[in-house]
Amino acid sequence: GQQLNQSPQSMFIQEGEDVSMNCTSSSIFNTWLWYKQEPGEGPVLLIALYKAGELTSNGRLTAQFGITRKDSFLNISASIPSDVGIYFCAGFKMDSNYQLIWGAGTKLIIKP
Amino acid sequence: EAGVAQSPRYKIIEKRQSVAFWCNPISGHATLYWYQQILGQGPKLLIQFQNNGVVDDSQLPKDRFSAERLKGVDSTLKIQPAKLEDSAVYLCASSNPTAYNEQFFGPGTRLTVL
Repeated sequence: GQQLNQSPQSMFIQEGEDVSMNCTSSSIFNTWLWYKQEPGEGPVLLIALYKAGELTSNGRLTAQFGITRKDSFLNISASIPSDVGIYFCAGFKMDSNYQLIWGAGTKLIIKP
Repeated sequence: EAGVAQSPRYKIIEKRQSVAFWCNPISGHATLYWYQQILGQGPKLLIQFQNNGVVDDSQLPKDRFSAERLKGVDSTLKIQPAKLEDSAVYLCASSNPTAYNEQFFGPGTRLTVL
């Protein structure tokens, strides 16, 4: 079953707004990944994080590896219509480097 | 650089029929993964290959699912016989041995079992 709690489940936002979402776990992770999936496509890797406290940006996206190693955050600044999609967090636990653990996704919807 | 290729993109079959999916990973990626993604959920790993050897198939329903990667490049996932609950998107991903944490996905095959 799911070992990552991703929230919120969905978000309705106005164009231009900033967006925040997060992933938490009771386990320690050594890698956090953020993916975006659009309808009919596979997930696309946005940002990869490898160290506690690491803050990494990719354009308007910024992600952070939590200092407790049990959480990660993704922020999107000044959202635009093409940001619509489902954002997944995923990670590798400290005791297992082989299987990527996935959150259930955050669905981003732009209000018309 | 070409991405992960998958075919077919869509497949509709009746229960108890068989179906096969094909994947060609990014050139040079030794690790290949097959995932099942049910609507509203994150991907679930079915099987992971390193070259032509199986690294993890603990979540593969082996009574009906099989996968092979005979020459260590492209791979085939088969379901026989299919059940209604197999309706899902089947995603193939690959990763570079020097950056194994970063998996790159194909567009997926959407399977509908009637």
